[in-house]
Amino acid sequence: DTEVTQTPKHLVMGMTNKKSLKCEQHMGHRAMYWYKQKAKKPPELMFVYSYEKLSINESVPSRFSPECPNSSLLNLHLHALQPEDSALYLCASNSGTEAFFGQGTRLTVV
Amino acid sequence: GQNIDQPTEMTATEGAIVQINCTYQTSGFNGLFWYQQHAGEAPTFLSYNVLDGLEEKGRFSSFLSRSKGYSYLLLKELQMKDSASYLCAPRGTGANNLFFGTGTRLTVIP
Repeated sequence: DTEVTQTPKHLVMGMTNKKSLKCEQHMGHRAMYWYKQKAKKPPELMFVYSYEKLSINESVPSRFSPECPNSSLLNLHLHALQPEDSALYLCASNSGTEAFFGQGTRLTVV
Repeated sequence: GQNIDQPTEMTATEGAIVQINCTYQTSGFNGLFWYQQHAGEAPTFLSYNVLDGLEEKGRFSSFLSRSKGYSYLLLKELQMKDSASYLCAPRGTGANNLFFGTGTRLTVIP
């Protein structure tokens, strides 16, 4: 099983809403990532969790709040987003020699 | 910090061979990943190099020179479906960081 599962696949939210993105993997990978990707741009690293501890926060605004409840799950809590936050949000996990992405959540902020 | 350089766009003919270069500067070095990404889809893992030399996987090969901060992805017997973006991601030491270059958009023409 080399699958990283993200839910939901699509999300439309208003600027006052609170929502969460979810990511799950059962490969035993201990590093998990959130990326943001705008059209025709490469994925941009947001957060890295290593052994369930936040190890990298790439100066992401506080309206994005990551959480790693256990070694298989990674959440991204969203609050008071702006229209410019509309993008594809990708989760990835890494064993060291292989790193796999989920299919992403396409987020639209209205 | 990270500095990753790839050509922005390349065009090649079906059946031909194409080489996509990546030069990088990282804080330490802990391997380099190559990904393929079709428009609107998640990145797909292609290869991982941590030692110098060439790794071959079917039609795709990846080369690494750590002393030169240089890698390339070689695609043989190009097919139309190989039209995609190709992303180079060197990993620095510590904290499992995984940053992407700008990506190379490859167009395969008949």
